[in-house]
Order: sequence, then structure tokens, then C-alpha cells
Amino acid sequence: LAKTTQPISMDSYEGQEVNITCSHNNIATNDYITWYQQFPSQGPRFIIQGYKTKVTNEVASLFIPADRKSSTLSLPRVSLSDTAVYYCLVGDTGSSASKIIFGSGTRLSIRP
Amino acid sequence: GAGVSQSPRYKVAKRGQDVALRCDPISGHVSLFWYQQALGQGPEFLTYFQNEAQLDKSGLPSDRFFAERPEGSVSTLKIQRTQQEDSAVYLCASSPTSGGYRTDTQYFGPGTRLTVL
Repeated sequence: LAKTTQPISMDSYEGQEVNITCSHNNIATNDYITWYQQFPSQGPRFIIQGYKTKVTNEVASLFIPADRKSSTLSLPRVSLSDTAVYYCLVGDTGSSASKIIFGSGTRLSIRP
Repeated sequence: GAGVSQSPRYKVAKRGQDVALRCDPISGHVSLFWYQQALGQGPEFLTYFQNEAQLDKSGLPSDRFFAERPEGSVSTLKIQRTQQEDSAVYLCASSPTSGGYRTDTQYFGPGTRLTVL
């Protein structure tokens, strides 16, 4: 199974750029990297997905180096409302009983 | 349009009782997933449906857990003879496609918080 490793927690301040890095050394060739955001008492919400290089949408950017063994979620100019848990997901190695692994995520706290 | 809804939002059960948790996915979504989320942890996969077919139930922790989606829309997760370790938030998610659930965007409901006393 492709396991991901993320920092348990991060702190930052409003207006700063926040980068959360995820390690996934065993990523498979066909796997995509997906990030979700979860607020308390809510289900996770899709943020961004990518395969290689850089992907940008209205919420975030995702940087993936050539070896794809890690990825970095970049949140520009964060606000208090970005305080949440962020999960990095990578597809497992494609067995017939593949599972989607969220891991424990990164708890991001934004201060005024 | 309406998102994924789950009911009840909160459920308290006495140990040994049976419970049924309902998920209404986004209309037309082919794929449906159930997850269990313990306090402070990420969601853990339980089972996956493609339309009415349960294609993967490898995450169900015991034979007390049963899920169905008989008409390919609404799904029910049933837990028999609940135990205290079953206390968790149960999340449902749906996805519009069936092309490989490792990459499809999933739309989550708010979850049902189950407390077993």
C-alpha cells in the first residue's frame, strides 16, 4: 500500500503562504495525488489533484517533483477560515481490494 | 444542487443494539463509499459500491457491519450488536464516475456521529 507521511500539525498567520509537504515513497506509476480539507463536524472536501509537475486552481497549488515521491500543497495568503485538517491521498498499488488511505492528516492552525 | 446527506446526524445506542445509518448520495452518482472516522484520526475506508453492486467490502471491521445499496442510490450501513469500539463518525461519499476510485473526486456528507454507551 502506498503510505503517506505528513506533519501532524502546522501553525501560521493570516496573509502568509502555507506549504504542506506529503511524502509518498511507494507511489505507483498510475497513481494520482489528491488533497482534501476537513473542518470540524464536516466531511472532507476535495481541494486539488495532480499527477506530476504543478497544478493550480482557485484554492491552492500542488507541486509534484519529477520523482513523484513527495508533493507540496501550497495555500496562498491564508485566512482564519483555512484552519482545518488537510489530508494527502495516494492511490494504493492497485490490488483488487484496494483501499483509500487518508492517514492522520495535517492539522493547520491559522492565527490572526 | 443538493449534496450528500446523511441521517441521523447523531445516534446514541446502548451496547448490543442494532443501528442503521442512511446515506443519500448526489443524484446520478455511480460510486458510493462508507468510511469510519475515529476521534482525531483520518477517515478509514469501509466499503465501496458501484451502482447497486458492492465491489469492495474489505474495510468492514467485522461481520456485524453490513452495507447495502439495493437500487443504486440510497445506501444503508447497518451495525448489529453495537460495541463501544464502534463509536465514531460514519462518513458517506459519492462520486459521479466509476472509472477508478483512487482518482475520482469524492463528495462527502456531514457524517453520522455514533456513540455507543
